Amino acid sequence: KNQVEQSPQSLIILEGKNCTLQCNYTVSPFSNLRWYKQDTGRGPVSLTIMTFSENTKSNGRYTATLDADTKQSSLHITASQLSDSASYICVVSAERGANNLFFGTGTRLTVIP
Amino acid sequence: DSGVTQTPKHLITATGQRVTLRCSPRSGDLSVYWYQQSLDQGLQFLIQYYNGEERAKGNILERFSAQQFPDLHSELNLSSLELGDSALYFCASSPRLDRGLGGELFFGEGSRLTVL
Repeated sequence: KNQVEQSPQSLIILEGKNCTLQCNYTVSPFSNLRWYKQDTGRGPVSLTIMTFSENTKSNGRYTATLDADTKQSSLHITASQLSDSASYICVVSAERGANNLFFGTGTRLTVIP
Repeated sequence: DSGVTQTPKHLITATGQRVTLRCSPRSGDLSVYWYQQSLDQGLQFLIQYYNGEERAKGNILERFSAQQFPDLHSELNLSSLELGDSALYFCASSPRLDRGLGGELFFGEGSRLTVL
C-alpha cells in the first residue's frame, strides 16, 4: 500500500536553532518527492522537489535529503526563524496511476522566541 | 502569490444547503485539482480535471461534484451539507497531465467552509 508517514507530528524549537523533519514512504514505483510549507490557513507552497537520482537539494535555509534505498527523506531547517512556524508536508509521487500523488499528514513546527 | 485564485475565501452556511466553490488556475495550466483539509488533518484528494475532462477521482462524496469549464476555471459543488463538511477546500493547478511526473502543483489560498 502506498503510504507517506511523517515524524514528528509536532515540534517546538527556539528561534535560531536547527531542526530536522522526517518522511518515510512506501510509494512505488517512485517518481519524485516534494516538501511543501503550509502556513496556518494558507495554501501549501513548494520548498523542494527531488527525483530518484538526487540526494540533496537546498532552498535557502531549507535542505532536503533523499535516500531512495531506504525510502526516507528529511527536511533540515537551519537557524530557524519565527516565520518558519508552519506545517511541513511531504508529498511523494508514483510513476503511474491516476491517483499517483500521496500526501503525508505533515509536521507542525512552532518556533518560539 | 501562486497565481491560482479561489473564491469565496470564507463561506458560512447551514446544514442541508448547497454551495459552489470556484477556482481559476494559473494562466496556461490545464489541470485543476481539488483537496479537502479538515481541522488539523492532512490534505485529502477529491478530484482532478484536465482540459475540461475528469482525470482522476479520490475520496469525493456523492454529494460533491465538480466540473472544469472551457476557459479552464473549475467549480466544486457541495450539496446536502453536513457539519462534517466544514473544512478548507484547496484548488491546485499544474501544467502537466500526470501530476506525479515532475509537474509542479500550485495551490490557491483555499476556501474556508463552515457549516452550522
